[in-house]
Amino acid sequence: QVQLVESGGGVVQPGRSLRLSCAASGFSFSSFGMHWVRQAPGKGLEWVAVTSYDGSKKYYADSVKGRFTISRDDSSNTLYLQMNSLRTEDTAVYYCAKPLGTSSGTDFIFSLWGQGTPVTVSS
Amino acid sequence: DIVMTQSPDSLAVSLGERATINCWSSQSVLYSANNRNYLAWYQQKPGQPPKLLIDWASARESGVPDRFSGSGSGTDFTLTISSLQAEDVAVYYCQQYFSTPLTFGGGTKVEIK
Repeated sequence: QVQLVESGGGVVQPGRSLRLSCAASGFSFSSFGMHWVRQAPGKGLEWVAVTSYDGSKKYYADSVKGRFTISRDDSSNTLYLQMNSLRTEDTAVYYCAKPLGTSSGTDFIFSLWGQGTPVTVSS
Repeated sequence: DIVMTQSPDSLAVSLGERATINCWSSQSVLYSANNRNYLAWYQQKPGQPPKLLIDWASARESGVPDRFSGSGSGTDFTLTISSLQAEDVAVYYCQQYFSTPLTFGGGTKVEIK
């Protein structure tokens, strides 16, 4: 069935790195741009990053720009988030999200979410 | 960046009564070329990821009960639950997709009175 499964979260010290993965199935992964969205404990939703369907365009929230890198491997239907120089404020559940469609506008509406993977940055 | 503001932060409504959630954007999310509002609503139940309810400000997603409706244009939007059911207890978020960075409102927690 159509699903997204995140992995790679855990507890990490400030300044260290972590790579998250999101395994996609049940849809044509290579046709869609893909997003990461995070949610700090007890807080609201924060969009993190997006990659276009072919990986040629990537956009980031200012809070992670220069530290996080979004990438994709269409051969394995996997989305990644490389997180470097982690800070305590990066502590959150990280969701990958598939957009509603591929056209302008629909590519920025989140129609399918994974269950999320928790990241805790703490010394 | 477009700032999204929701009110109230929380509300308690009796079963069968109406719940109304407001969302404002710091600038218009109405795209004049197609006359569409780039505004979505999500529902998040405890321990679950968000679920898309409404996009383009008023278009209900397939399978979403018709007691949920969205309205508004430009900078002012509303999500209405016409007759609150127990399963509607959740946090509701608006989101603009007019421009990056994509931004969400702070959320409105809906409870049963």
